[in-house]
Amino acid sequence: DADVTQTPRNRITKTGKRIMLECSQTKGHDRMYWYRQDPGLGLRLIYYSFDVKDINKGEISDGYSVSRQAQAKFSLSLESAIPNQTALYFCATSDSWGNGYTFGSGTRLTVV
Amino acid sequence: QKEVEQDPGPLSVPEGAIVSLNCTYSNSAFQYFMWYRQYSRKGPELLMYTYSSGNKEDGRFTAQVDKSSKYISLFIRDSQPSDSATYLCAMSRMKTSYDKVIFGPGTSLSVIP
Repeated sequence: DADVTQTPRNRITKTGKRIMLECSQTKGHDRMYWYRQDPGLGLRLIYYSFDVKDINKGEISDGYSVSRQAQAKFSLSLESAIPNQTALYFCATSDSWGNGYTFGSGTRLTVV
Repeated sequence: QKEVEQDPGPLSVPEGAIVSLNCTYSNSAFQYFMWYRQYSRKGPELLMYTYSSGNKEDGRFTAQVDKSSKYISLFIRDSQPSDSATYLCAMSRMKTSYDKVIFGPGTSLSVIP
């Protein structure tokens, strides 16, 4: 099994719909993140969580919310999807010692 | 001006060539520098990290940081088709400040057999 599993891998949804992207990790790390990747813009941080009771906004949190259900689970929700939220979404985890991120394989989201 | 800039490519080289991938940045507070490799339809994976200025070597890969010029490089020696991927630079003020990691947009590399 992958260290970081994201579901679904692909999703097409309509404008205005609520959608949830799920992430689970088996690394045993406390820190988890949600990033968005757009061509030419790189990875941008949406939300991050340093433990189960800790949630922090990142660079581009507007229109998104998150839930940290357990140490291993961190989900991202789009309350009312809009077309400019079409992107590749990555979940990641890290230890507390700065040894880099472990990313999932991503969710390709298309909002029509 | 973007905080981190990277030539998007695509860069195409013959197998065995030496590849140079580069990033420039504007924030002089950055001290921790990383390179990630991202294959198509996969998440980025950490290749190397360096702290402050200098060189670091790992097999065919060498990371170089020049803080005075705000310029970092990743060199790949004896490039292989399996090196074909997008390479992302990333940087932060501190090794553990993952809330403030800034990624470059990535350079797409193709190594032709």
